[in-house]
Amino acid sequence: QKEVEQDPGPLSVPEGAIVSLNCTYSNSAFQYFMWYRQYSRKGPELLMYTYSSGNKEDGRFTAQVDKSSKYISLFIRDSQPSDSATYLCAMSGAIKAAGNKLTFGGGTRVLVKP
Amino acid sequence: DTAVSQTPKYLVTQMGNDKSIKCEQNLGHDTMYWYKQDSKKFLKIMFSYNNKELIINETVPNRFSPKSPDKAHLNLHINSLELGDSAVYFCASSQATGAYEQYFGPGTRLTVT
Repeated sequence: QKEVEQDPGPLSVPEGAIVSLNCTYSNSAFQYFMWYRQYSRKGPELLMYTYSSGNKEDGRFTAQVDKSSKYISLFIRDSQPSDSATYLCAMSGAIKAAGNKLTFGGGTRVLVKP
Repeated sequence: DTAVSQTPKYLVTQMGNDKSIKCEQNLGHDTMYWYKQDSKKFLKIMFSYNNKELIINETVPNRFSPKSPDKAHLNLHINSLELGDSAVYFCASSQATGAYEQYFGPGTRLTVT
């Protein structure tokens, strides 16, 4: 079993709908939780990060972390065709001076249809 | 101005060959990484360098050898290529204390035939 599990999708939604993505994890040492977006044939780019439990909002994006359930979510409001991409969750333990690594989920492919 | 660049973008080669991938970042970061992304999009760290020092070395065959000539460059040399090495290899960089905020290059798509 992988440390971070993510449904591969694809998740197909109509334009304007709310996209709901999530990951589960098993390592209770994870403290930083990230969402990366990856367009086809491009490198991942960081969307948001959250430290420990709680919610964080940035424009149309909301990230939630529930450490007690080892469950994180990303919501995209008013989805646009340009949001069509693969969304990767990533996690890290406490940030040290060096030697930090991210553990990624397998990504969920999202298609927003006009 | 490209933040993290990789060369080449595509690499097609035969089994048994040796090849190198180069990475450069102009963000002033002190930590660089190599990741492998397989056909199922699973992104897994291979190596990390901080100020030219190897700090993360995951379970990777010793046919893979990273080299960091300076903080801005991290190269990956692969000996005796195998079919299973076919994947997309991404370079990334970050500040050591901001490892959650990594900037990725465009990737190098390696195909071994």
